[in-house]
Amino acid sequence: GAVVSQHPSWVICKSGTSVKIECRSLDFQATTMFWYRQFPKQSLMLMATSNEGSKATYEQGVEKDKFLINHASLTLSTLTVTSAHPEDSSFYICSATFKERRGDTQYFGPGTRLTVL
Amino acid sequence: RKEVEQDPGPFNVPEGATVAFNCTYSNSASQSFFWYRQDCRKEPKLLMSVYSSGNEDGRFTAQLNRASQYISLLIRDSKLSDSATYLCVVTPTDSWGKLQFGAGTQVVVTP
Repeated sequence: GAVVSQHPSWVICKSGTSVKIECRSLDFQATTMFWYRQFPKQSLMLMATSNEGSKATYEQGVEKDKFLINHASLTLSTLTVTSAHPEDSSFYICSATFKERRGDTQYFGPGTRLTVL
Repeated sequence: RKEVEQDPGPFNVPEGATVAFNCTYSNSASQSFFWYRQDCRKEPKLLMSVYSSGNEDGRFTAQLNRASQYISLLIRDSKLSDSATYLCVVTPTDSWGKLQFGAGTQVVVTP
């Protein structure tokens, strides 16, 4: 199956710093990548949809100036959490897909666990 | 009301037993349905898609009831390795690729 990697797998940072998370599709070109966030005991919540070469589409309630998404190539999308605060501590997961047909399978990255002190 | 609701469990299941649980969804126009499995501190992994006619994959059987807006997952002959959180996932009709996740049902298979 398709493989998606994320880097770093975990990060601890001080409040006020910015953190960049990379999501890469390793063996296919991802036309669309999604970014999710999951708090403990809660469901994955979609944050934004990212299409290569265009601006990301953010879900309601997600601050686009705080969560910067860049999808510069068909194999790489980055999420930057700017001025991170303890409430941003969460499990961030990306997924990637390609449009063979509507409703195609999403391939998930292993996730990045962010802890903001 | 949450768009996808699940009983969080945990469902404690003796090894070899059968366990079943449901998930309800609020959008009657939802198009696709899936069960994902998520192990502790890991990413979700697709377990199976759910079709209107019901489908089976080995020890796992999924059913869809559109009239009552729920899907179910049944695990037969439970293995210790089946211990995980099972996520119900629904796709809305108006947004390609978007997945709506339930919070998951935890299953613990005991020896």
